[in-house]
Amino acid sequence: SQTIHQWPATLVQPVGSPLSLECTVEGTSNPNLYWYRQAAGRGLQLLFYSIGIDQISSEVPQNLSASRPQDRQFILSSKKLLLSDSGFYLCAWSVSDRVGFFGQGTRLTVV
Amino acid sequence: QKEVEQNSGPLSVPEGAIASLNCTYSDRVSQSFFWYRQYSGKSPELIMSIYSNGDKEDGRFTAQLNKASQYVSLLIRDSQPSDSATYLCAVTRRGGSTLGRLYFGRGTQLTVWP
Repeated sequence: SQTIHQWPATLVQPVGSPLSLECTVEGTSNPNLYWYRQAAGRGLQLLFYSIGIDQISSEVPQNLSASRPQDRQFILSSKKLLLSDSGFYLCAWSVSDRVGFFGQGTRLTVV
Repeated sequence: QKEVEQNSGPLSVPEGAIASLNCTYSDRVSQSFFWYRQYSGKSPELIMSIYSNGDKEDGRFTAQLNKASQYVSLLIRDSQPSDSATYLCAVTRRGGSTLGRLYFGRGTQLTVWP
């Protein structure tokens, strides 16, 4: 069966510091991968999606970037965090017509 | 313009009652519809998907879709306190690389009281 791993579970970072969140998927090949953010008082928002290695599309302009160096690895990064980057970050995968399975998420607080 | 809208609630029902959750969407291209349950502090869990007009039943859950009205709903029969959570409606354009690009409503908070 497919599983998705995200880490860390929680993170507190100062403004201006870098960020790296990692997500890996097991049990499937060539998944589509997604990064979502859930900010306080707002709905889940799609940030990035990837249909293959080094193929990244951004949904919204922002202070973040994403990379996919391996088939089942998806990384979310920032060079300098802003207060507005705080939120609950979720990685998700889909394959064929199976869609929308989320990892456990990373709660990021920028202070 | 918001793509997916839900009543924010909170919705409160007694144990054993039917909870009705509603969602409207603006993009007529949307063809796949999902309901997620999210407990506080946890990631969303997929509970229902529906692609065709009409009803789809799975246990105590029934999803209803009306594409002409751009409306999708979730009914929870025999509600239990463990159903207390936020319910998220999501839509996507079906097919290819866009399938998993989900657009969410803000969610409806449901409380089931004993």
